[in-house]
Amino acid sequence: DADVTQTPRNRITKTGKRIMLECSQTKGHDRMYWYRQDPGLGLRLIYYSFDVKDINKGEISDGYSVSRQAQAKFSLSLESAIPNQTALYFCATSDQTGQARDYNEQFFGPGTRLTVL
Amino acid sequence: QKEVEQNSGPLSVPEGAIASLNCTYSDRVSQSFFWYRQYSGKSPELIMSIYSNGDKEDGRFTAQLNKASQYVSLLIRDSQPSDSATYLCAVKTSGTYKYIFGTGTRLKVLA
Repeated sequence: DADVTQTPRNRITKTGKRIMLECSQTKGHDRMYWYRQDPGLGLRLIYYSFDVKDINKGEISDGYSVSRQAQAKFSLSLESAIPNQTALYFCATSDQTGQARDYNEQFFGPGTRLTVL
Repeated sequence: QKEVEQNSGPLSVPEGAIASLNCTYSDRVSQSFFWYRQYSGKSPELIMSIYSNGDKEDGRFTAQLNKASQYVSLLIRDSQPSDSATYLCAVKTSGTYKYIFGTGTRLKVLA
């Protein structure tokens, strides 16, 4: 089974709709991240979380919100979707506690392709 | 100046050749360096991490780090068509949350 999973994998929605993207991990990592990727712009950080009680905005958080329901779950919401939020969305995790063998390395989920019409 | 710079490519190499991918970074205190492979429409997959100056080898892949020149590279020996992908370089400074990614180099291995 994949260590980092995302649902849904593909989503088409209409302008103004609220949608939620979900991420779960079994790696036991403390940190979780949400990125979006657009052609030519690379990966841009939306939000990141150090633990359940510590959530922080990234470089492009406007129009997005997040929830860290548990150490293993981190959800991204688009409150009112707009067409320029059409992108590939990736969840990622890393261990910064020093307890995991893959300490400091960041791992990505399979992604969600979101289209806003 | 971008924080992490990569030539966008495409870099075309014949099958069996060595592919050399380069990355420069601007923050002198960067301490962790990563190479990811990303196939079109798929997620980035971690290939190598390197923390110390010098070379680190893993199978057909070798990462090279030169902190004085702020330069990290990835060599792929015996390149295969299945290596055709975009390669992302990422850097991180210890004690920070931020992984800074380059926009990637597209590699094409010609059969």
